[in-house]
Amino acid sequence: SQKIEQNSEALNIQEGKTATLTCNYTNYSPAYLQWYRQDPGRGPVFLLLIRENEKEKRKERLKVTFDTTLKQSLFHITASQPADSATYLCALDMRFGAGTRLTVKP
Amino acid sequence: DAGVTQSPTHLIKTRGQQVTLRCSPKSGHDTVSWYQQALGQGPQFIFQYYEEEERQRGNFPDRFSGHQFPNYSSELNVNALLLGDSALYLCASSLRTGWADTQYFGPGTRLTVL
Repeated sequence: SQKIEQNSEALNIQEGKTATLTCNYTNYSPAYLQWYRQDPGRGPVFLLLIRENEKEKRKERLKVTFDTTLKQSLFHITASQPADSATYLCALDMRFGAGTRLTVKP
Repeated sequence: DAGVTQSPTHLIKTRGQQVTLRCSPKSGHDTVSWYQQALGQGPQFIFQYYEEEERQRGNFPDRFSGHQFPNYSSELNVNALLLGDSALYLCASSLRTGWADTQYFGPGTRLTVL
């Protein structure tokens, strides 16, 4: 069956460090993968989309990589800030992973 | 430019009742998708509407039904409510380009079934 797995339920890091979140998938052949941010009690907000033929994509302090051989995407937030604290979701087609809750401590 | 709006924001129902949730898509969007999100979980895809027809459906029973109107707004109906239907119901809109559907989500409707 198709599965989308995100590396852990929670990730705690110190302000200024780089946060790295993982999304692994099985039994998909996606043309693209998306990352969303979700704050408590709010709907997800789209961050980045990466196509299967793109290895890496950047937007300000965000970087996403996509390895279709490993069936994995990595999401990086550099120079993290407490305001980056949220749950980050990866999505393939109409399916979402469970998310990783990131907490950035001052 | 209004984003995706949903109503009501909160709703309390009892088991066996029926509920209707409403969604207005972002201006210019023609596709509406509905998701159920249980606490601590990612959104689970219920179904998607385009041109007033259900185009895709996730693994949800027939108790979950929907409708899309000519102005692209949409309703989600749930019959015979169960305790397990308690969740945040999210509506997302997108513009069908035939390639990638980047979705814009509303704030959700929190449904509690007692």
